[in-house]
Amino acid sequence: DAGVTQSPTHLIKTRGQHVTLRCSPISGHKSVSWYQQVLGQGPQFIFQYYEKEERGRGNFPDRFSARQFPNYSSELNVNALLLGDSALYLCASRTSIGDTQYFGPGTRLTVL
Amino acid sequence: GEDVEQSLFLSVREGDSSVINCTYTDSSSTYLYWYKQEPGAGLQLLTYIFSNMDMKQDQRLTVLLNKKDKHLSLRIADTQTGDSAIYFCAESMGPNGGSQGNLIFGKGTKLSVKP
Repeated sequence: DAGVTQSPTHLIKTRGQHVTLRCSPISGHKSVSWYQQVLGQGPQFIFQYYEKEERGRGNFPDRFSARQFPNYSSELNVNALLLGDSALYLCASRTSIGDTQYFGPGTRLTVL
Repeated sequence: GEDVEQSLFLSVREGDSSVINCTYTDSSSTYLYWYKQEPGAGLQLLTYIFSNMDMKQDQRLTVLLNKKDKHLSLRIADTQTGDSAIYFCAESMGPNGGSQGNLIFGKGTKLSVKP
């Protein structure tokens, strides 16, 4: 069975630009969460979606937004990129809220 | 506030046991997790323990939970060079956080296994 997939694998942007990251959950999983992992730190929770509705938001600015589609895939959008947004962005899926999360390989974003 | 603390580094010899420790603060956590991250990769779920359990064993892995002291440990028996990685402890957020079931991670413990 395919695990969580994310695209692209790597991305380089410049300050002020916009970026969209994509995630496809494990088949049958209806909940997707996004995490940001800055180098040398543990992942930090950004958003959770379940059945296309936002069910949780971490302490991130409004430049960060996300959505979930009818097929349960998800996009994370970041506007007005800052150097500090450079990180590994991880997507995790699970069958429903509260269940164990399974992570994808991540998208490495570099902001120059 | 909620916080998870881990020691940053651990070095062991191949064949020895490794013990990685973690402390957490949220007493309402229902599950505690151990994830493994190899260089350049995502997070691999190793094991988890429900908060009403004291111990869980899964092949070479043993998880011990001291709920009174909010202390979690991961023991890896017969550590191999392939176990070299960063190990993250994580607790699930309580319902009051509005993000039920999402995870708070420690900074990770880098395990180095010497042949």
